[in-house]
Amino acid sequence: QKEVEQDPGPLSVPEGAIVSLNCTYSNSAFQYFMWYRQYSRKGPELLMYTYSSGNKEDGRFTAQVDKSSKYISLFIRDSQPSDSATYLCAIPARNTGFQKLVFGTGTRLLVSP
Amino acid sequence: IAGITQAPTSQILAAGRRMTLRCTQDMRHNAMYWYRQDLGLGLRLIHYSNTAGTTGKGEVPDGYSVSRANTDDFPLTLASAVPSQTSVYFCASSQGRDQPQHFGDGTRLSIL
Repeated sequence: QKEVEQDPGPLSVPEGAIVSLNCTYSNSAFQYFMWYRQYSRKGPELLMYTYSSGNKEDGRFTAQVDKSSKYISLFIRDSQPSDSATYLCAIPARNTGFQKLVFGTGTRLLVSP
Repeated sequence: IAGITQAPTSQILAAGRRMTLRCTQDMRHNAMYWYRQDLGLGLRLIHYSNTAGTTGKGEVPDGYSVSRANTDDFPLTLASAVPSQTSVYFCASSQGRDQPQHFGDGTRLSIL
């Protein structure tokens, strides 16, 4: 079983839709959870990071962690064409802080005008 | 603009050749990392460095070497390139081991 699993998509939505992106993980020791956004031919860009369970909100983005289900989500409200990108979840490996990140394979999001 | 600079942007290389990918950061971050990104496999850590003078192996270190002579530079060397090393290579840095990582825009490397 992979440490982090993510649906590759693509996920296609119309502009203005609410988007839900998800990852599952296998190691219950994970403490930090991150979401990166990657545009085509660019490097990953840190969007959000959270510690422990619950929600964290930043503008149109909300990160949610459910440690009991080993499930993390990223919600995007009022999605825009500029949100079209690949979204990667990332979790530190074996409770080592942020040093060694295990990445999901990414979900490609397409927001059409 | 502060950040990470990777060079070259892309390269086509014959198998068996030696190649060094360059990475420079101007954020004075202590930790630096090299990843490769392959379709269906995601980002995998090759090597990392917590501070200048120290390095460590990641998930897929075989065939690669790194050095960290100073804070800003973290080159990745392929001693004898093989086709399976065809990939997009990303350099990243963080202030410390418990801080989020920031990425460069990658080097696209094709080994023929």
